[in-house]
Amino acid sequence: QQQVKQSPQSLIVQKGGISIINCAYENTAFDYFPWYQQFPGKGPALLIAIRPDVSEKKEGRFTISFNKSAKQFSLHIMDSQPGDSATYFCAAATSGSARQLTFGSGTQLTVLP
Amino acid sequence: EAQVTQNPRYLITVTGKKLTVTCSQNMNHEYMSWYRQDPGLGLRQIYYSMNVEVTDKGDVPEGYKVSRKEKRNFPLILESPSPNQTSLYFCASSLFARQGGFNGYTFGSGTRLTVV
Repeated sequence: QQQVKQSPQSLIVQKGGISIINCAYENTAFDYFPWYQQFPGKGPALLIAIRPDVSEKKEGRFTISFNKSAKQFSLHIMDSQPGDSATYFCAAATSGSARQLTFGSGTQLTVLP
Repeated sequence: EAQVTQNPRYLITVTGKKLTVTCSQNMNHEYMSWYRQDPGLGLRQIYYSMNVEVTDKGDVPEGYKVSRKEKRNFPLILESPSPNQTSLYFCASSLFARQGGFNGYTFGSGTRLTVV
């Protein structure tokens, strides 16, 4: 049972464009939604995270948009750069839960120069 | 430097030959976890540990064992590996807070295991 569904599986964007990755969740107990960035040969690294008390969080070129009623959240990368080429994972967790993170299936982003 | 260290980085083994992948963290984190990463499936939790001598199953525990005898170490044991355990494995650690915020994982660099 996949509790966090992520799309698209792969994404190709021109340099300077906007990259958008979407995730949907089923478990209404989730209250923490991070995004992880993974470069080849490396472990995932926390990029940005949001809690459901806000609808948007921005850090530099990276923005999370959160829609609690639709149970969806998305990552927007503005002015995408070739160095952003990586695999991105959304995830969800419930505070205080020993199980912690449930991950989406990942999106491989390629930013063309 | 705060980090999670996994060894080995690459491992090729034969079916049925017991193996151990080590994981160590230097951040005094209570919580440690093992994930496997497979194409199209994301990261799936194998086992986790909330503290020393406290371990529990994740989503895909079959064929794996773990132990947590020390706070810093959390080895993953495959007693009789099979080809369907060929995967990329990640160890992760975090502070665990029952109340308040979840602080996010620190991941190791991964172990690519091939079972032939």
